[in-house]
Amino acid sequence: DQQVKQNSPSLSVQEGRISILNCDYTNSMFDYFLWYKKYPAEGPTFLISISSIKDKNEDGRFTVFLNKSAKHLSLHIVPSQPGDSAVYFCAASARHYGQNFVFGPGTRLSVLP
Amino acid sequence: DGGITQSPKYLFRKEGQNVTLSCEQNLNHDAMYWYRQDPGQGLRLIYYSQIVNDFQKGDIAEGYSVSREKKESFPLTVTSAQKNPTAFYLCASSISQGQNIQYFGAGTRLSVL
Repeated sequence: DQQVKQNSPSLSVQEGRISILNCDYTNSMFDYFLWYKKYPAEGPTFLISISSIKDKNEDGRFTVFLNKSAKHLSLHIVPSQPGDSAVYFCAASARHYGQNFVFGPGTRLSVLP
Repeated sequence: DGGITQSPKYLFRKEGQNVTLSCEQNLNHDAMYWYRQDPGQGLRLIYYSQIVNDFQKGDIAEGYSVSREKKESFPLTVTSAQKNPTAFYLCASSISQGQNIQYFGAGTRLSVL
């Protein structure tokens, strides 16, 4: 049973528009969330995090929103650039309990010029 | 230049053979992790280590073994007991276990001959 789900395997967006990547989780104990970006044949690189005490965190073009009641988070990329084309993973942990991160299956984003 | 180095980038295993994947970090992180990535799936945790001379099984430890004799090094051995070893293997480290952002190496792709 997947605790972290990314229901869209792929997403295509026009350059300059907004990309919205979604992530749902089932474990209500999760209190810390990360987004990673991964290019082919490379390791994931950390993008942005959010703690459950917040509902929004922003870093440049990247904003993560957390809706605890819906157990849903989303990553917004504005404006999208061709270099953003990659696979995006969300990860969740019950940090308060010292648990390891659980990763979603990823969403492949293609930003079209 | 700090980071995590995985070697080799590509590895081939024959039937009945054990192979070892190398992971070295110079970030002075206490915790290290091994993940496996299969197509369409998220990262699955194989083993993790919170501190030197200590390691714990993750979700899919069967057929794998690890050691943590030095803080900087966390090699993974894929044994002949692992019947489906073809995958992309990722090593990561964090300041401490479960609490912090994980930083990843570039990965090793293992294939069976």
